[in-house]
Amino acid sequence: DTGVSQNPRHKITKRGQNVTFRCDPISEHNRLYWYRQTLGQGPEFLTYFQNEAQLEKSRLLSDRFSAERPKGSFSTLEIQRTEQGDSAMYLCASSPPRVGQYFGPGTRLTVT
Amino acid sequence: DAKTTQPPSMDCAEGRAANLPCNHSTISGNEYVYWYRQIHSQGPQYIIHGLKNNETNEMASLIITEDRKSSTLILPHATLRDTAVYYCIVADSWGKLQFGAGTQVVVTP
Repeated sequence: DTGVSQNPRHKITKRGQNVTFRCDPISEHNRLYWYRQTLGQGPEFLTYFQNEAQLEKSRLLSDRFSAERPKGSFSTLEIQRTEQGDSAMYLCASSPPRVGQYFGPGTRLTVT
Repeated sequence: DAKTTQPPSMDCAEGRAANLPCNHSTISGNEYVYWYRQIHSQGPQYIIHGLKNNETNEMASLIITEDRKSSTLILPHATLRDTAVYYCIVADSWGKLQFGAGTQVVVTP
């Protein structure tokens, strides 16, 4: 247990529905990252926050994806109008400056 | 594309040292070498990172060549619980990580 928690751990949804995931980072970490991992592949960077500011978004993050980090604490990742291609493990990580990132257990999304 | 090259797999006997190589010939001066591992169905676990000097912590040692074009992660006494995919990543200090395919390490009794 790294201290980063993610909820829910598993989510099954029907195509076209909206889903929202939550990440609670380690409390003193000002940086928070979201990654996506599909089966057999390494994680892919999605977006990054420093405190409440979203500083970078990958081109993988289409218009259907939005992430927030109000007050620089927990973060949410919302996917609107889910598609089967969105099925993946969504990973959250947090870090203080200039050290490694600590990953949560992930949320596994299955879109049917 | 990932900036590192790792062997796709390697085996290691339990109790022996595991030496995991990584090539990163295009590393920039401000980029660190990070190592993570991922046990099946879990999130990646941070192991160690370094810039120029060799580093050691309770999990592993990181040896970086003088020209910084390659590095080796050393697990001093491999256990069955070290079976995982090991990722070598080069990244700047704020650390957006680009994961490659990694090395699948299997520790055998």
